[in-house]
Amino acid sequence: AQSVTQLDSHVSVSEGTPVLLRCNYSSSYSPSLFWYVQHPNKGLQLLLKYTSAATLVKGINGFEAEFKKSETSFHLTKPSAHMSDAAEYFCVVSEEYGNKLVFGAGTILRVKS
Amino acid sequence: DAGITQSPRYKITETGRQVTLMCHQTWSHSYMFWYRQDLGHGLRLIYYSAAADITDKGEVPDGYVVSRSKTENFPLTLESATRSQTSVYFCASRVGTSGIVETQYFGPGTRLLVL
Repeated sequence: AQSVTQLDSHVSVSEGTPVLLRCNYSSSYSPSLFWYVQHPNKGLQLLLKYTSAATLVKGINGFEAEFKKSETSFHLTKPSAHMSDAAEYFCVVSEEYGNKLVFGAGTILRVKS
Repeated sequence: DAGITQSPRYKITETGRQVTLMCHQTWSHSYMFWYRQDLGHGLRLIYYSAAADITDKGEVPDGYVVSRSKTENFPLTLESATRSQTSVYFCASRVGTSGIVETQYFGPGTRLLVL
């Protein structure tokens, strides 16, 4: 069975500094991986997805993630945090072509002014 | 473009009552999904549907019933609500392209409190 571990439950950064949200996955075959963001009292929005093409994936709002098979990681980064990035972020691995999504527990990102 | 909507957005009910949460999408997506979100668990799949009249269980289906008579609607029913079903429920949908990993699009959620 596939699983996802988000290594930090909370991350705090200052505005303008880099963001790193860490995610490790477990999969018995070539996975599809996603990052979703959830702003307070909102639904989930897709940031980016990896589906076995380029290992460096660019998403919306300046976010990127790199798929590293040897490390079974899919960390999310952004060069410069903005106040509007404060939200909860979910790393997700997919089974069955996107039918069964397995979510990590989430990382809450706080951005300080 | 309405996208995917859920109703009600907030619901308070009592233990033992039947509750139905509605989900409606305007994209004609083949697949629809129900998740629940609880602290420390991320989202967990309850049920999903590949098309009208086709449904399948997810990770946590016990205590829930679904139906899909029309492509655009996917109601979730708690037949006899329990306190452990207090949660935030999200509906999602995606196109049904065979062999391609398609993105799931999520609704705004329904907050359910069972007293």
